[in-house]
Amino acid sequence: DQQVKQNSPSLSVQEGRISILNCDYTNSMFDYFLWYKKYPAEGPTFLISISSIKDKNEDGRFTVFLNKSAKHLSLHIVPSQPGDSAVYFCAARSGGGADGLTFGKGTHLIIQP
Amino acid sequence: DAMVIQNPRYQVTQFGKPVTLSCSQTLNHNVMYWYQQKSSQAPKLLFHYYDKDFNNEADTPDNFQSRRPNTSFCFLDIRSPGLGDAAMYLCATSTRKYGTDTQYFGPGTRLTVL
Repeated sequence: DQQVKQNSPSLSVQEGRISILNCDYTNSMFDYFLWYKKYPAEGPTFLISISSIKDKNEDGRFTVFLNKSAKHLSLHIVPSQPGDSAVYFCAARSGGGADGLTFGKGTHLIIQP
Repeated sequence: DAMVIQNPRYQVTQFGKPVTLSCSQTLNHNVMYWYQQKSSQAPKLLFHYYDKDFNNEADTPDNFQSRRPNTSFCFLDIRSPGLGDAAMYLCATSTRKYGTDTQYFGPGTRLTVL
């Protein structure tokens, strides 16, 4: 049973517009959430994270929102750029800092010119 | 640049023939992880080392073993690969700092089983 779900396998957005990637989770013990970006033939690269004690974290064009009551988080990219085309993985962790991550299946974001 | 290195990038083995995948890191992180990612699936944690302490996930098959001879290196051994073990294998590292822990990934090794 998937504990982290990304229900959109792909998303197409026009350059300059906002990209919104969604993620749902079922495990209420998760207390730290991360977004990774992956280009073909490369490993996932850390993008942004959020602790469960916050509801928003911003880093430049990237903002992550966390709604704990809905067990939902989203990644907003504004404005979207061609280099943002990649697969985005949502990941979550419970417990201490050494624990492994539980990943979603990823969303392939395509930025159209 | 500090990084996580995986060798080889592509590995082909035969059904039942043991294979070893390698991961090294220059980050001096004390935690190293191995994930398995099958096509169109989420990366799945197999096990991790916290320093020399080995932590196996409950559903990781016995066919998968790991060794960490020192801080920099970690190996994934598949004793008798089956066709279902064909996947991308990702190595990752982190420091054990609660709340700020970020995992850094290598480029992965794609394993093909013939």
